[in-house]
Amino acid sequence: DTGVSQDPRHKITKRGQNVTFRCDPISEHNRLYWYRQTLGQGPEFLTYFQNEAQLEKSRLLSDRFSAERPKGSFSTLEIQRTEQGDSAMYLCASSRLARVDNEQFFGPGTRLTVL
Amino acid sequence: GESVGLHLPTLSVQEGDNSIINCAYSNSASDYFIWYKQESGKGPQFIIDIRSNMDKRQGQRVTVLLNKTVKHLSLQIAATQPGDSAVYFCAENTAGGGADGLTFGKGTHLIIQP
Repeated sequence: DTGVSQDPRHKITKRGQNVTFRCDPISEHNRLYWYRQTLGQGPEFLTYFQNEAQLEKSRLLSDRFSAERPKGSFSTLEIQRTEQGDSAMYLCASSRLARVDNEQFFGPGTRLTVL
Repeated sequence: GESVGLHLPTLSVQEGDNSIINCAYSNSASDYFIWYKQESGKGPQFIIDIRSNMDKRQGQRVTVLLNKTVKHLSLQIAATQPGDSAVYFCAENTAGGGADGLTFGKGTHLIIQP
């Protein structure tokens, strides 16, 4: 399978714990995006990388959220001190280097449940 | 279980009929638009896209229409099949190399009646 993959697919955690999600983009894609999707809503953009550089992070929901892409390949999204309001689907997408037609391919998502 | 339809408009059509899903966007600077299909428990799947210098684009059984004057986008699905049942989202992006992520609409839940 050469699509975007995410791990884990489901995560249940207790409030206050830290969680980390991984995303592996399509191999030739330079751009990697993170989104959050809550029930009944469309995905909400959080941050994105071009290779290893994080070019936009002002849309991260709070300072408890951080993302890395150290080698310009896979990326991780970490949420510290989770809250019940963090429960959502976290989606990763990737695309080729900058073009006007910015087609993004999405992974299956990681569903987070905070108890 | 999830009640995805609680916050989403719903469109119910008979199998074999044509479907039209509408989307309004607000950013007049948007110049690239995409329709995504999302099935329960899965990530969004690309269906078709259109640039702002076009007003119509056709794919296999799908057509996207763009009206920039009223900032309206529509997705037409011909001869709907049971597998078309899903939530459909429109998304927009602005020029400049796609510096930001996509902005998604609220979505429409398409239900195919047998």
